[in-house]
Amino acid sequence: QKEVEQDPGPLSVPEGAIVSLNCTYSNSAFQYFMWYRQYSRKGPELLMYTYSSGNKEDGRFTAQVDKSSKYISLFIRDSQPSDSATYLCAMSVVNAGNMLTFGGGTRLMVKP
Amino acid sequence: SQTIHQWPATLVQPVGSPLSLECTVEGTSNPNLYWYRQAAGRGLQLLFYSVGIGQISSEVPQNLSASRPQDRQFILSSKKLLLSDSGFYLCAWTPGAQETQYFGPGTRLLVL
Repeated sequence: QKEVEQDPGPLSVPEGAIVSLNCTYSNSAFQYFMWYRQYSRKGPELLMYTYSSGNKEDGRFTAQVDKSSKYISLFIRDSQPSDSATYLCAMSVVNAGNMLTFGGGTRLMVKP
Repeated sequence: SQTIHQWPATLVQPVGSPLSLECTVEGTSNPNLYWYRQAAGRGLQLLFYSVGIGQISSEVPQNLSASRPQDRQFILSSKKLLLSDSGFYLCAWTPGAQETQYFGPGTRLLVL
């Protein structure tokens, strides 16, 4: 079993839809949680970063962490064709040398 | 502001040839540096990381090696490339006190 599981998709939604992307994990020591967006043939770009449990909002993006369920989510409101990309979740343990454990990524396609 | 550069952007090499990929970071000092490989449609595999000049840790035994000759320079090398070395190579950096990693634009390597 992988430490971090992420549905590879592809997830196809119409423009304007609310998108929910999710990751589950097995290591209860994870405290930092990140979401990266990766366009085709580009490096991953940090979207959201949260520590421990709770919600964090940034524009159309909301990151949610539920440590009791070992489950994190990224919500995208009013999705746009420009949101079409692969979304990677990542997480780390405190004081572990900044080492990240990544999910395999979910490919999102937003159709106009 | 900090920026990260990788070159070359694309490389096509024959099997058995040597490899040298370079990564440099600007606008920071003493970053942690990382090399990842991303195979087509797959997640990120950590290859090497470095916490300082001359300090390299290897995560995956293989025919690749890494060096850090200067504080903000990280080099990935091979003496003889294999077909399985094809992939998208990403360099990342993190400020020592933060958990997040920031990625470069990547180098696409095709070994024929």
